[in-house]
Amino acid sequence: DTGVSQDPRHKITKRGQNVTFRCDPISEHNRLYWYRQTLGQGPEFLTYFQNEAQLEKSRLLSDRFSAERPKGSFSTLEIQRTEQGDSAMYLCASSLDRAATGELFFGEGSRLTVL
Amino acid sequence: AQSVTQLGSHVSVSEGALVLLRCNYSSSVPPYLFWYVQYPNQGLQLLLKYTTGATLVKGINGFEAEFKKSETSFHLTKPSAHMSDAAEYFCAVSAYNNNDMRFGAGTRLTVKP
Repeated sequence: DTGVSQDPRHKITKRGQNVTFRCDPISEHNRLYWYRQTLGQGPEFLTYFQNEAQLEKSRLLSDRFSAERPKGSFSTLEIQRTEQGDSAMYLCASSLDRAATGELFFGEGSRLTVL
Repeated sequence: AQSVTQLGSHVSVSEGALVLLRCNYSSSVPPYLFWYVQYPNQGLQLLLKYTTGATLVKGINGFEAEFKKSETSFHLTKPSAHMSDAAEYFCAVSAYNNNDMRFGAGTRLTVKP
């Protein structure tokens, strides 16, 4: 399978714990995006990378959220001291050339439940 | 900044009937417009997109959409609904000069037998 893959698909955690999600983009894609989707809403942009550089992170929801993309390949999204309001689907997407094609390719998401 | 409004959070049609999902956008620069479909517990799959050129775009599964600049609209249609079309549909907008794709709140399509 050569699509965007995310791990884990589901995560249940207790309030206050830290969680980390991993995203492996399509191999030749240099851009990687993180979105959050809550029930009944469309995806909400969080941050994006071009290669290893994080070019937009002001949309990260709080300083408890951080993302990395070492070596410009896979990316991780970490949420520290989780709160019940963090319960959502976290989507990763990748693209090769944003300006030329406009299209993002999405993974199946990582669903977080905070008890 | 761009934004999208999807009219109707839930649309119900009979199998074989016309599907019309409405989307209006706001953008200060020429927009890129997209329709994505999401099945339960899955990611988003691109149905079709408009960037430049022909304003009537055709996508997968028999869907098409028309970019109307004067109406700031990008409505999604399909002549004949199939049971397998039942899903959540999202309209999205971005632009050539940014990497911030904005999504609407989504429209849930139900297809009745």
